[in-house]
Amino acid sequence: AQSVTQPDIHITVSEGASLELRCNYSYGATPYLFWYVQSPGQGLQLLLKYFSGDTLVQGIKGFEAEFKRSQSSFNLRKPSVHWSDAAEYFCAVGAPDEGTDKLIFGTGTRLQVFP
Amino acid sequence: GAVVSQHPSWVICKSGTSVKIECRSLDFQATTMFWYRQFPKQSLMLMATSNEGSKATYEQGVEKDKFLINHASLTLSTLTVTSAHPEDSSFYICSARPDLYEQYFGPGTRLTVT
Repeated sequence: AQSVTQPDIHITVSEGASLELRCNYSYGATPYLFWYVQSPGQGLQLLLKYFSGDTLVQGIKGFEAEFKRSQSSFNLRKPSVHWSDAAEYFCAVGAPDEGTDKLIFGTGTRLQVFP
Repeated sequence: GAVVSQHPSWVICKSGTSVKIECRSLDFQATTMFWYRQFPKQSLMLMATSNEGSKATYEQGVEKDKFLINHASLTLSTLTVTSAHPEDSSFYICSARPDLYEQYFGPGTRLTVT
C-alpha cells in the first residue's frame, strides 16, 4: 500500500522568503501526487497535482512542485511567501494501479509566516 | 465551479443521540464521495467511500454500524453518527469526485459530543 511522509511538522518563514515543504512517498509504481492547503476550520483546497509528464508542476497561488522519482519526493515550493499563505499543507498520494482513487494523506506541515 | 457544501458546519449533541451530516456537490454530479475524519492538528483519515446507489466501502477499523453512510443521489451523501459519544467528537470532511482523482472538499463539520 502507498504511504506518504511529511517530515516537517511546523515551518516558520518570513514574508517574502522562499519556501520548500517536503513530501516523500512510498509506492511501487508511479503514484499520483497532490498538494492541498487547509486554512483553520476549513476544508481542503487543491494546489496542484502530478499524474504524469513534466515533473515540474505549476499550481495556483504561485506554488510549484517537482516530482523526483529517484528520491521518491514531491516537494512544494514558492519563491516568495505571502502572509496569507499561513495554513496547513497536506501532501497526498494516490495509487492508480490499485483500482481505487482514494487518497492517503500525510500528517501535514503547518506554515507560519512572520511579517 | 466544483463546489461542495456540508451541513451543518458545527453541531453539538448529547451523548447517546444521533447526528446526520450532509455533503452536497452543488454544481456537478458525483457518483463517488469520500468521508474523512480529522482530529485536531492531525491529518485526514479516510473513513469510507460512498457510491451512489450502492453500499459504502468502509476503511479498516471504521464501524459501519456506527457511521452510517447513504449516497441517495448524485449530489448528496449523508453521514450519520449513531449513538454518539465524546470520543466521536472530531472534524468530519467530505469530498466529491466528478472524475477520477478529482476530489473537491467540503468545508467540514465540527462535531462536539457532550
